[in-house]
Amino acid sequence: SAVISQKPSRDICQRGTSLTIQCQVDSQVTMMFWYRQQPGQSLTLIATANQGSEATYESGFVIDKFPISRPNLTFSTLTVSNMSPEDSSIYLCSVAIGDGYTFGSGTRLTVV
Amino acid sequence: GNSVTQMEGPVTLSEEAFLTINCTYTATGYPSLFWYVQYPGEGLQLLLKATKADDKGSNKGFEATYRKETTSFHLEKGSVQVSDSAVYFCALSGNSGAGSYQLTFGKGTKLSVIP
Repeated sequence: SAVISQKPSRDICQRGTSLTIQCQVDSQVTMMFWYRQQPGQSLTLIATANQGSEATYESGFVIDKFPISRPNLTFSTLTVSNMSPEDSSIYLCSVAIGDGYTFGSGTRLTVV
Repeated sequence: GNSVTQMEGPVTLSEEAFLTINCTYTATGYPSLFWYVQYPGEGLQLLLKATKADDKGSNKGFEATYRKETTSFHLEKGSVQVSDSAVYFCALSGNSGAGSYQLTFGKGTKLSVIP
């Protein structure tokens, strides 16, 4: 299985600003996933990021709001742009390894 | 598309009680099925998985059997402990066209075990 280092672990941000979340994987992986978990809710997929191509966004999520970079096979970033209090959530990255999935520890974002 | 339905919580049990959390799914083809656990303030951890029909996943005293005939993957534990208090998510990964490799999660079931 892979080990994912995700940071920051938490942050409190002012509305209108942006936050970039980083995920570093200890092995090369083709697909990385970004999820949002709103308070008390399940996980919702934001986008799938493959190295060397544009991320694929799920319905309800757009690149201008959640730009993603995937510069190599071990690293990805998700930016939450022009934040509002509704963006307060836990954001998690995940990778597919073999027949399973590993998750980062999550970034708990509070927008004030 | 794929979907996962799991029993609503919260569930409160006394220590050493028997636990069942129901999970049913809708998917085309032959999905892989997972249970993830999220302890308070922590990230998501894989608890167990099953990749084909009739497989039984097990870990830390928890078990779940992949039942294709009933499209179910119920989580069970014979004797829960206070340390099992967490949110449990049922999930599947299967062929859904463009989303072939993504996980689809249930809403989660919060379990509280009291001494």
